[in-house]
Amino acid sequence: QVQLQESGPGLVKPSQTLSLTCSVSGGSIYSRDYFWTWIRQSPGKGLEWIGHITYSGNARYNPSLKSRVSLSVDTARNQFSLRLGSVTAADTALYYCARDLGGTGYDFLDYWGQGNLVTVPS
Amino acid sequence: SSELTQDPAVSVALGQTVTITCQGDSLRKYYASWYQQKPGQAPTLVFYDKNNRPSGIPDRFSGSTKGDTAALTITGAQAEDEADYYCYSRDPTGDYRVFGGGTKLAVL
Repeated sequence: QVQLQESGPGLVKPSQTLSLTCSVSGGSIYSRDYFWTWIRQSPGKGLEWIGHITYSGNARYNPSLKSRVSLSVDTARNQFSLRLGSVTAADTALYYCARDLGGTGYDFLDYWGQGNLVTVPS
Repeated sequence: SSELTQDPAVSVALGQTVTITCQGDSLRKYYASWYQQKPGQAPTLVFYDKNNRPSGIPDRFSGSTKGDTAALTITGAQAEDEADYYCYSRDPTGDYRVFGGGTKLAVL
């Protein structure tokens, strides 16, 4: 059973960089079948796709966040990471990592982490 | 604003059928997948591609697509189906992913 677990600080100061890591267990991140994805959900709001990255490091970003976001992958540790710079209170959200089967030709997210709440005080 | 449009809220009587829709130009080319999110929980996949339901998802959940609109139908809605539902697909360029704004389903 594949499991994803987010980790990182719960509080980030305005203008600083938010950094989160997603650890994958029960399966290898080293597969061309998957797009390793970050999603966020502001309090009381809907889901927002942040971006995804392949095992080889090819990344796609939400155009609305592209200037501030960077994804990376560490196949040796079976982890992938998110960095979001110049944060403001608007970046306060529950951040999820998930697995997208996009490499297979399908577009769906079959495994999700439980989420990591990040607060940026105003 | 999302490139996939969902009704913010829908209600259904217990045991009746309800359809939740997701509209967007990209759906003419790409299938949507559907997620159920209950309070305090991560979303879970309930339907994907043309006609696929993950193991463990009741067969009362079904999906379809016609033109630019994808639909998730719950036949015989149960109290435990009360949740938020999100569609997910690509943007019209195909380069990015996008979620619909979500539909809050109330089972009365």
